[in-house]
Amino acid sequence: EIVLTQSPATLSLSPGERATLSCRASQSVSSYLAWYQQKPGQAPRLLIYDASNRATGIPARFSGSGSGTDFTLTISSLEPEDFAVYYCQQRSNWPRMYTFGQGTKLEIK
Amino acid sequence: EVQLVESGGGLVQPGGSLRLSCAASGFTFSSYSMNWVRQAPGKGLEWVSYISSSSSTIYYADSVKGRFTISRDNAKNSLYLQMNSLRAEDTAVYYCARAKLSEFDYWGQGTLVTVSS
Repeated sequence: EIVLTQSPATLSLSPGERATLSCRASQSVSSYLAWYQQKPGQAPRLLIYDASNRATGIPARFSGSGSGTDFTLTISSLEPEDFAVYYCQQRSNWPRMYTFGQGTKLEIK
Repeated sequence: EVQLVESGGGLVQPGGSLRLSCAASGFTFSSYSMNWVRQAPGKGLEWVSYISSSSSTIYYADSVKGRFTISRDNAKNSLYLQMNSLRAEDTAVYYCARAKLSEFDYWGQGTLVTVSS
């Protein structure tokens, strides 16, 4: 079973700053990695798929990079609405299952 | 507009059963694989089950295998999760989510299942 480890657990930044979130896989997931944003009381929202592709309607300040075991979500300049919890997720084929990282909470400093 | 609306959650005793439903609209339901994902209170996301567009392929997380059954009715644009032998650790918000390829591109608002005596 592939384990996804996100770091840091909590990231404290101010609006306008750059945010860098990390997701490390216990074995290679190729480029099949996605990122989600979740705000309190809301469902997760897909931000990035296949490591670097923005989902429909996602602002250009969100970008993803990486392949293999190391992935990064970057928010170039934080807006007030970006403070939330972020999860990475991958799909493995054998056995078929989907796993999420434990999440990174991005909070206002 | 894609919409997924879950229902059927509630309070159930340990060992009891519950059936969740997810009503889909705004897209061709029969063309997409679907999933259930849950989130325990204050915790992270956990994938529960997957069903292909034609119901020919189904997968479960080990934590629910043998107790939960996923199904769908493409004529009714609906997804279901039959949950039996419920445990306290099954307490969570349950989301239905549309599968794109390796990711979930649309999610419902969730329905809360509480397993407690």
